[in-house]
Amino acid sequence: AQSVAQPEDQVNVAEGNPLTVKCTYSVSGNPYLFWYVQYPNRGLQFLLKYITGDNLVKGSYGFEAEFNKSQTSFHLKKPSALVSDSALYFCAVRDARGSQGNLIFGKGTKLSVKP
Amino acid sequence: DGGITQSPKYLFRKEGQNVTLSCEQNLNHDAMYWYRQDPGQGLRLIYYSQIVNDFQKGDIAEGYSVSREKKESFPLTVTSAQKNQTSFYLCASSIDQGRYNEQFFGPGTRLTVL
Repeated sequence: AQSVAQPEDQVNVAEGNPLTVKCTYSVSGNPYLFWYVQYPNRGLQFLLKYITGDNLVKGSYGFEAEFNKSQTSFHLKKPSALVSDSALYFCAVRDARGSQGNLIFGKGTKLSVKP
Repeated sequence: DGGITQSPKYLFRKEGQNVTLSCEQNLNHDAMYWYRQDPGQGLRLIYYSQIVNDFQKGDIAEGYSVSREKKESFPLTVTSAQKNQTSFYLCASSIDQGRYNEQFFGPGTRLTVL
């Protein structure tokens, strides 16, 4: 069975500092991995995804994520955090095997960036 | 949220009432999804549809029903609403059910069952 874990409920960062939001996954085959961001009382917005190829994926708003197959991780990063990055972040995974299968979401990590 | 509309933004119903949540997309996407989001639980899949006139149950379909009569529309009905169905409901779509395709989300409907 596929699963995804976000080990931190909340991450606190000072503005201008680098940020990391952690995600680990478990799938039977190769993973397709996604990051989404959610602002209060809004839907989710797609940030980036890993399908294959380069382990470092660049996405929207200056975010990037690093795929690490040996550690089964896909951590979200940004070199310099902004107060406006404060939001709820979701990691999601899908098994690449077969033709079906739904997207499994983590429970979310609340990012708080203080001025 | 562009391309997917959900209405209304807030809904209040009494226990036992039926209620339908609207979801419309103008992205020409084949696949559509309904999730509910509860604090600390992430998103849980209720129903999904790959094409018109076809839909499948997700992980928590009990107490809900859907229809997909048009490509653009995927309404969710809460049947005889219960208090434990108070939640934030999110509709999403993707170009198709391909595993590498990202999903696009609507702004959500917050349902409160009194």
